Parts: sequence; structure tokens; C-alpha cells
Amino acid sequence: ILNVEQSPQSLHVQEGDSTNFTCSFPSSNFYALHWYRWETAKSPEALFVMTLNGDEKKKGRISATLNTKEGYSYLYIKGSQPEDSATYLCAFMDSSYKLIFGSGTRLLVRP
Amino acid sequence: GAVVSQHPSWVICKSGTSVKIECRSLDFQATTMFWYRQFPKQSLMLMATSNEGSKATYEQGVEKDKFLINHASLTLSTLTVTSAHPEDSSFYICSAWDEKLFFGSGTQLSVL
Repeated sequence: ILNVEQSPQSLHVQEGDSTNFTCSFPSSNFYALHWYRWETAKSPEALFVMTLNGDEKKKGRISATLNTKEGYSYLYIKGSQPEDSATYLCAFMDSSYKLIFGSGTRLLVRP
Repeated sequence: GAVVSQHPSWVICKSGTSVKIECRSLDFQATTMFWYRQFPKQSLMLMATSNEGSKATYEQGVEKDKFLINHASLTLSTLTVTSAHPEDSSFYICSAWDEKLFFGSGTQLSVL
């Protein structure tokens, strides 16, 4: 059974703090690693799709890194804002193109 | 970006009734759509892959006769939970590829 773990489960930070979360995934049969941002009562929104070991992607204040050999990815948010409050999901895609999701990290940014 | 519309957002039904959930791709064609289920404090779990014009592919442990999937057009897939029971109460969400994965907003099903 393929397992995708995310930590921490939840995180409360102050506005302006920088933060990061971890996604651990199987290091075999790797095809891609996805990150999603899911605000309450909205649809999950794709942030990044990462495929190559050592990949780094950036979108505004959010960035992500990928290590496929050891099976982890980090998501960083620089200078967190209240609007960054959401659940951040990672999903491992294997060679069969199926996505296996982690249970997410719930981020709350206090003004 | 692409939009996936899912209805209803929430539904409450009596045990033994059937519930249909619709998933539409609004501005793109989707030959394949995916149906996920999420129980409280758990991960999104893939239930089935819906294929336009052919039978859906179900994941291990998901009952085909209970969760009927129809993908009759390139923009619409439906999931029908037949003879729903309280243990089917869950959050159901669909998604479709258009260069990346786009999700509907989900359906919270409560079976009394």
C-alpha cells in the first residue's frame, strides 16, 4: 500500500512568519508530485506539479522543492498572510498516473 | 483556468434512497474524470476513474453496483450512490485533467 505522509497536520502562525511543511512519499515508481491549496468551501487548486529530482518551483511567496531519491518535498511560504490560510495537500503520482493524496496540512495565519 | 462544476454541494437523504452527484467540465472536454471520497480527518481516496463512452474503472474495495458512474458525454460524469446507508456519509469530489488536475467543489452526503 502506497503511503503519502504530510506533516505537520496543522500549523498556526502569525502574519509575516515564514513557514514550511513536508510531504513524504514512496521513492519507487515515481512519476510526479503535486501540491494543491484547498480553501474551505472551495475547490482544491493546483499549485505545482514537480517531476524531476532537485526541482524547485516558485509562485509568488510560495515555493516547493523535490527530492525523489529520498522521497520528500517541502512547501515554503514566505511572509505568511491571512489569505494563505488553507489546507495544503500533496499527492504522489506513480507510473500508472494515479494520484495518492496525503491528509494535508491545515495552515491558519493569524492577523 | 478550466472550471469543474459539481452539484449538489450537500445532500441529506434517508437510508435506502439513491443520490446522484453531477460533475461537469465547463470550458473543456474531459474524456476522463476521477471520483474521490474523503472521510473526516482522512485523505482523499480515489474511488473510480470515469471514462467517456466506456465503463468506469473502480479501485479495489469500491463496489461497482453501489457507486454507479455514467460518463455519457465529454463534459458530464455522474456518480449515483444507490441504496445509500449511513456508512456512505462522506465528502465526494470529482476532478478532470486539462493540462493539470481541476477539482469540483465537492458534495457532502449525509445519510440518515
